[in-house]
Amino acid sequence: DVKVTQSSRYLVKRTGEKVFLECVQDMDHENMFWYRQDPGLGLRLIYFSYDVKMKEKGDIPEGYSVSREKKERFSLILESASTNQTSMYLCASSSPFRLDGTDTQYFGPGTRLTVL
Amino acid sequence: LAKTTQPISMDSYEGQEVNITCSHNNIATNDYITWYQQFPSQGPRFIIQGYKTKVTNEVASLFIPADRKSSTLSLPRVSLSDTAVYYCLVGERSAAGNKLTFGGGTRVLVKP
Repeated sequence: DVKVTQSSRYLVKRTGEKVFLECVQDMDHENMFWYRQDPGLGLRLIYFSYDVKMKEKGDIPEGYSVSREKKERFSLILESASTNQTSMYLCASSSPFRLDGTDTQYFGPGTRLTVL
Repeated sequence: LAKTTQPISMDSYEGQEVNITCSHNNIATNDYITWYQQFPSQGPRFIIQGYKTKVTNEVASLFIPADRKSSTLSLPRVSLSDTAVYYCLVGERSAAGNKLTFGGGTRVLVKP
């Protein structure tokens, strides 16, 4: 079974703090993604990466950066946390070369971040 | 990316079939239709994906008419544990990275 783990389920930070959210996948997937989920807005893509050291902006990259130094690990960084970044953050991974032809994304359990 | 429209919520009872229709009028030739399921406090989980006609797996069926402007997810004989939010996504499969756009989803409540 594919496993995507996130470093914390719940996190409370203060405005202005630097925040690191870590995601690790164990299936040797090429692609990794960071989303945030807010009530009424669904999931929105922040950044994604399709290879080590590669990254691309998603729909809402402002205020975030990412790092992918190893294939299995994708980090989301909030350089200076703000209250409007309070949200559920979901990491996902996928492989574009599945034998069944689908491009399923496997999600982690999420990190609920509260910025005070 | 094609925009999708699906009902906000629907109620059902145990043992019934649940059909959720998603509209995607601007679907492109290379787009696939994918459905995910999300339980509270969990990340979404892939259910099914298709391009045209009908696709069936052990969890659900996906019906796609010839014009592909809509699709219907069918959950046979639902149980209480099928209570979840169901998302319809439309997008191109790409080796360079598949960007998915999740809308608000359909909240399905299965009652005893």
